[in-house]
Amino acid sequence: EVQLVESGGGLIHPGGSLRLSCAASGFTFNTYSMNWVRQAPGKGLEWVSYISRNSDTIYYADSVKGRFTTSRDNAKNSLYLQMNTLRDEDTAVYYCARVGDDWSGYSPDSWGQGTLVTVSS
Amino acid sequence: EIVLTQSPATLSLSPGERATLSCRASQSVGSYLAWYQQKPGQAPRLLIYDASNRATGVPARFSGSGSGTDFTLTISSLESEDFAVYYCHQRFNWPPETFGQGTKVEVK
Repeated sequence: EVQLVESGGGLIHPGGSLRLSCAASGFTFNTYSMNWVRQAPGKGLEWVSYISRNSDTIYYADSVKGRFTTSRDNAKNSLYLQMNTLRDEDTAVYYCARVGDDWSGYSPDSWGQGTLVTVSS
Repeated sequence: EIVLTQSPATLSLSPGERATLSCRASQSVGSYLAWYQQKPGQAPRLLIYDASNRATGVPARFSGSGSGTDFTLTISSLESEDFAVYYCHQRFNWPPETFGQGTKVEVK
């Protein structure tokens, strides 16, 4: 069974930093690209970042570019999101999601339960 | 950036009724459109990919159609567990991947 478990969320002051982790199991992690997607309280889904299987391609939403860094450690089956210079508007539940293969149209097909990041003074 | 516009924002229906949700793209996404279901406190769940293909384990009452800029998710007969928020999603022209703003299907 595919499992994705995020951790590292919490309350942080504006301008602070936080590092999220996503532990993957139940599938061959190094054969899948991964996404970070966030959801502000009571709002819709917003794509944050994409990282390819071997980390050679990484993309970011304009709203986080230059402040967030996505990385992965395939040996540890883990995905990371380093968030710097946090703003109030970064408050959200952050999900890691597996980018599916041809059998799911390369859509994010498995999601973690999310970790809440609250940016507030 | 491709903008996905969902309508209606809220759909009030009774169990057993048919639900028809719309997603319109600001430019063509071919057939590269997916639908997700999200219940309160839960992560999104992939329902439909490539506009009309049901994901593994998704009941047959869910169907998707459309191509280009206009897409529809249909729930043929609503079950109690289907009351949720539904999002459309594209990764045809990315980055960025984009989501619609969601349609809430609520009990009438």
